[in-house]
Amino acid sequence: AQKITQTQPGMFVQEKEAVTLDCTYDTSDQSYGLFWYKQPSSGEMIFLIYQGSYDEQNATEGRYSLNFQKARKSANLVISASQLGDSAMYFCAMREGYAGGTSYGKLTFGQGTILTVHP
Amino acid sequence: EAGVAQSPRYKIIEKRQSVAFWCNPISGHATLYWYQQILGQGPKLLIQFQNNGVVDDSQLPKDRFSAERLKGVDSTLKIQPAKLEDSAVYLCASSLAATDTDTQYFGPGTRLTVL
Repeated sequence: AQKITQTQPGMFVQEKEAVTLDCTYDTSDQSYGLFWYKQPSSGEMIFLIYQGSYDEQNATEGRYSLNFQKARKSANLVISASQLGDSAMYFCAMREGYAGGTSYGKLTFGQGTILTVHP
Repeated sequence: EAGVAQSPRYKIIEKRQSVAFWCNPISGHATLYWYQQILGQGPKLLIQFQNNGVVDDSQLPKDRFSAERLKGVDSTLKIQPAKLEDSAVYLCASSLAATDTDTQYFGPGTRLTVL
């Protein structure tokens, strides 16, 4: 089964509008972390935002916020006031906590969502 | 603070040739990762080092791929011999530790084309 699922291959948004990128995950661990990365056409993976499984508040970083719904196992990224420079591939990733015999640290990535911002 | 450095940025080789990639992590980062990203997919972990020891290499094709991290700083990833399906971007990342809250920072990647 997929550990990270991003169901939107592509999304379009008008400049200055908000957009939500979906991410659902699958884990039996109690301790895990969820991450969003941006990958522009240049190829570098840029860290955007992090949410811990025990965090009660939704994470926010500037124009980025993470809508974390633990019971539904979803961690959607919300970008407010989109800019042309936000056009890129966006990846959701999960790191599971140590679970006896399993090494932690490894990120499991989803397939990504290509976001295009229109002027 | 300098980011993760990788070289070369691009490499084109023919199948059955060998190739090596180099990574210099962020200063002070104990954990180093190599990921393979095939076009249209998310990155997949190949190997993880904690200082100069291997923590996880379960998805490394050991018959052709090898990696080392001498002195717990720089790392090299080698492919010998290369196959067509090795065409991908090879990303190096580093983090301070390997806890579930620790953020991994990525380098610009090396784009490998195998002809």
